[in-house]
Amino acid sequence: EPEVTQTPSHQVTQMGQEVILRCVPISNHLYFYWYRQILGQKVEFLVSFYNNEISEKSEIFDDQFSVERPDGSNFTLKIRSTKLEDSAMYFCASSVSGRDRTLHFGNGTRLTVT
Amino acid sequence: AQSVTQLDSHVSVSEGTPVLLRCNYSSSYSPSLFWYVQHPNKGLQLLLKYTSAATLVKGINGFEAEFKKSETSFHLTKPSAHMSDAAEYFCVVSEPLSGGSYIPTFGRGTSLIVHP
Repeated sequence: EPEVTQTPSHQVTQMGQEVILRCVPISNHLYFYWYRQILGQKVEFLVSFYNNEISEKSEIFDDQFSVERPDGSNFTLKIRSTKLEDSAMYFCASSVSGRDRTLHFGNGTRLTVT
Repeated sequence: AQSVTQLDSHVSVSEGTPVLLRCNYSSSYSPSLFWYVQHPNKGLQLLLKYTSAATLVKGINGFEAEFKKSETSFHLTKPSAHMSDAAEYFCVVSEPLSGGSYIPTFGRGTSLIVHP
């Protein structure tokens, strides 16, 4: 069965550094999402992406964050200058269409900011 | 506006006994509803979904959920718990936004503990 893949599985970075989290959605999916889960807290929506542009974003997704689909297969989340509070599990998800709202998730990238 | 409330942060059962994980939702439209499971240090796996077809939905690993519009509930059940069911369970609601997009919203999660 096709899967969403995320790399790396674990990323450690120093405060103030830039990180890029990578995702390869399922190939025929058209909608892409990033969520995050701070340890012990709920899964929070960050951003959705469709037709090469952001369709929705939460208040968490400020100017420090950006997303890109650089080559038609990868979907990346960039954090420009990481803060301690960015430490979390970041999940990428995709769905085949707007009508089928089923999200297919990757296994996540655990980001640790020191 | 959509929201979802998982009524229990932890549920503890003995192996072989029934499981009930409760979820109530709020939605302005006919929502889609989902249950996801997250095993320790793993990703989010879809258990089952409701998308306006049959109100009783069967999922993987013997789980099922019933959509009750009058009660705005979508509780997850399993007749007999197995040790491998110990995990975090998330109820998710999704309704169309004004622009036609969807942002699935997660509940806070229920930790299922299974005792031998």
